[in-house]
Amino acid sequence: GAVVSQHPSRVICKSGTSVKIECRSLDFQATTMFWYRQFPKQSLMLMATSNEGSKATYEQGVEKDKFLINHASLTLSTLTVTSAHPEDSSFYICSAWDGGYTNEQFFGPGTRLTVL
Amino acid sequence: QKEVEQNSGPLSVPEGAIASLNCTYSDRGSQSFFWYRQYSGKSPELIMFIYSNGDKEDGRFTAQLNKASQYVSLLIRDSQPSDSATYLCAAIKAAGNKLTFGGGTRVLVKP
Repeated sequence: GAVVSQHPSRVICKSGTSVKIECRSLDFQATTMFWYRQFPKQSLMLMATSNEGSKATYEQGVEKDKFLINHASLTLSTLTVTSAHPEDSSFYICSAWDGGYTNEQFFGPGTRLTVL
Repeated sequence: QKEVEQNSGPLSVPEGAIASLNCTYSDRGSQSFFWYRQYSGKSPELIMFIYSNGDKEDGRFTAQLNKASQYVSLLIRDSQPSDSATYLCAAIKAAGNKLTFGGGTRVLVKP
């Protein structure tokens, strides 16, 4: 089956620093990738949608200058949390769509970000 | 009103019983519906999806869709302690579009 990886799986950083999270589709080309954030005991909230080679589309309330998304290739998307603060601590999950006729998206294992 | 709604639970069921989970959606443009299982600290894993009215069975799981009532359900037969998790319902309008998730239902299967 389609596999999506994320790196790192966990990251701890100091307040004010920037953190980059990678999302890779390992055995398929991802036409579209999605970035979600999940706070404890809450559901997944979509942050942004990115298509290869174009600018990401951000959901209402998500700061595009704080959460930089790059989808430079069909197998890699990156999310950079700039000037991270403790309130950015969360579980970040990416998913990818292979452009096929099915609606299924394939989820990465997630990245746990802790900002001290 | 949230676009996709679920009872938060917890839904407590004895081992071997049937767990019944419900989900309603507000956007009639939604085409396909997904059920995911999520263990604490882990990413969601797909159980099954459904896009036609009626029932769809896969092993111990049965999804039911009623577009007229805007209602999706998931039945888990012969519930096992390993089924204890949060179950997420999600809707999508078209392939490649965003998934809209419900708040999730926590299920506890007691031995």
